[in-house]
Amino acid sequence: DTAVSQTPKYLVTQMGNDKSIKCEQNLGHDTMYWYKQDSKKFLKIMFSYNNKELIINETVPNRFSPKSPDKAHLNLHINSLELGDSAVYFCASSQVSGTSGVSYNEQFFGPGTRLTVL
Amino acid sequence: GENVGLHLPTLSVQEGDNSIINCAYSNSASDYFIWYKQESGKGPQFIIDIRSNMDKRQGQRVTVLLNKTVKHLSLQIAATQPGDSAVYFCAENGNTGKLIFGQGTTLQVKP
Repeated sequence: DTAVSQTPKYLVTQMGNDKSIKCEQNLGHDTMYWYKQDSKKFLKIMFSYNNKELIINETVPNRFSPKSPDKAHLNLHINSLELGDSAVYFCASSQVSGTSGVSYNEQFFGPGTRLTVL
Repeated sequence: GENVGLHLPTLSVQEGDNSIINCAYSNSASDYFIWYKQESGKGPQFIIDIRSNMDKRQGQRVTVLLNKTVKHLSLQIAATQPGDSAVYFCAENGNTGKLIFGQGTTLQVKP
């Protein structure tokens, strides 16, 4: 049983196109995340949603728009794709304890979506 | 600012030897730390975590040590196996809702 799943696994597209990546978790977690991993393997958080509400929005171009239709899904839509958007995008989920919003629980990662912009 | 870094980008060990992967962090407010393992073509997998009220935690073949005085974290892998070959990341929570990842250390296990 896949805990965090993403589709597609690979995405190759032309510059200027709009594309979406979907993420689903069946762990019952209340918080989901999107990360970008560059060619040097550096993992950086982009967004975080808690119970469908945006709680973390790092310095990401507004061409990136996350959407959380429910607690189990967090999709990432990217407009006007650029060469620099080429990377591996990971979705993750965790259960954030208490009301402080601070996470003390591991994040479970999906398998990643390798996006190549030509 | 927040900075989580690793001392060495690549670590090469002989199969059967012990491995030690080091990590330095700069946010003294961080109170939760995690080690992840990422194999080629896969997402990061949780290995072990530690809260700041502890200085050592053991798992199966792995031990995490936390030295808050010098803001240092290490991952020790006992009897390293070929299946341990991967990129290892440390991460801290910065006492916030997000994890800040280090740059990663590649562990190569020689047969």
